[in-house]
Amino acid sequence: EIVMTQSPATLSLSPGERATLSCKASQSISSNLAWYHQRPGQAPRLLIYAASTRATGIPARFSGSGSGTDFTLTISSLQSEDFAVYYCQQYQNWPPLTFGGGTKVEIK
Amino acid sequence: EVQLLESGGGLVQPGGSLRLSCAASGFTFSSSAMSWVRQAPGKGLEWVSDINSSGTSTYSADSVKGRFTISRDNSKNTLYLQMNSLRAEDTAVYFCAKPLSSIYYYGLDVWGQGTTVTVSS
Repeated sequence: EIVMTQSPATLSLSPGERATLSCKASQSISSNLAWYHQRPGQAPRLLIYAASTRATGIPARFSGSGSGTDFTLTISSLQSEDFAVYYCQQYQNWPPLTFGGGTKVEIK
Repeated sequence: EVQLLESGGGLVQPGGSLRLSCAASGFTFSSSAMSWVRQAPGKGLEWVSDINSSGTSTYSADSVKGRFTISRDNSKNTLYLQMNSLRAEDTAVYFCAKPLSSIYYYGLDVWGQGTTVTVSS
């Protein structure tokens, strides 16, 4: 099973600041990585797939990078609606599909 | 509009059973694999089970293997999760979700609102 590790667990930032979230895989997953965010009480939403491709309707302030074992999600300028929990997910080797533990982006 | 609507959650005693349903609309259900993902209270996301478009292939997490069964009825555009021998640790919100692509897995782009399962005596 591929283990996904996200850091930091919590990121405290102000609106307008840049957010950088990390996701590491326990073995190479090529570019088979997706990012989601989840607001309280809501279902997750797909942001990025194939490590760097934005899903339909996702603003350009969201960008993904990386391949192999190290990945990054960057939010260039945080908006109020971006304060949420972010998850990475690998789909290189499954079953099982595995998610990271999440990074909470909170208002400072 | 593409939509998934889960139902069937509730309170059940340990060892009991429950069947979740997920009604799909707005896309060709019979052409899409489908997934169940759960989230325990205050915790992260956990993949539970997948089924291919025809229902002939299924995959489940070790934590539910032998207890949960995923199935589908393409004539009714409905996905199911039969949950038996329920344990306290199965308490979670259960989401059904649709993959972005029917050709290659790229992640889950449509999610239901979730249905809550509570296992407690």
